[in-house]
Amino acid sequence: DVQLVESGGGLVQPGGSLRLSCAVSEFTFSDYSMNWVRQAPGKGLEWVSYISSSSKTQYYADSVEGRFTISRDNAKNSVYLQMNSLRDEDTAVYYCARVGIGGSLDYWGQGTLVTVSS
Amino acid sequence: DIQMTQSPSSLSASVGDRVTITCRASQGISNSLAWYQQKPGKAPKLLLYATSKLGSGVPSRFRGSGSGADYTLTISSLQPEDFATYYCQQYYRSPMYTFGQGTKLEIK
Repeated sequence: DVQLVESGGGLVQPGGSLRLSCAVSEFTFSDYSMNWVRQAPGKGLEWVSYISSSSKTQYYADSVEGRFTISRDNAKNSVYLQMNSLRDEDTAVYYCARVGIGGSLDYWGQGTLVTVSS
Repeated sequence: DIQMTQSPSSLSASVGDRVTITCRASQGISNSLAWYQQKPGKAPKLLLYATSKLGSGVPSRFRGSGSGADYTLTISSLQPEDFATYYCQQYYRSPMYTFGQGTKLEIK
């Protein structure tokens, strides 16, 4: 079965940095674009960032542009999210998700919690 | 940005009921719409894509329809496992995805 497993979440102070990882298995990772989507406590889903299969293109939500960087390593079947200058409002569960048919997000990881607090 | 508006925000229903959730985009999205189901503490699960195509392993009681800017998710006969929160998502402007605010389906 397709698996996506996030790691790297935790408690960080405002202004700090954190790097999230998402390790995937049971599919040809280099064929698929990937995303990060987050969900603040008790809130809805917010798309954060996208990376194409070859890393040629990346996109970011306005709320994280200039602070977050998405990357991937196709040899390691992993996608990453480097988060700098973290703010209270970045507190959320962060999910990685695969782009499926037509652009929907067909597989999601279980999420990793990031808490930004002093 | 394309805004997605779901209604209702919450809904109470009984096992066996038929329920409908609507999603309106701020512009036409050419059937580039997906629906997700999320249970507490779990990741979202893809239910439908391209408005009406079922995701892998999704029961046929879930149906999607719509066109232009207006879309609906219908569950024909609610089962106990269907009580969850549902989100629509546009991917017309992929990868600048936007989600609806969610509809919480609760047991009456």
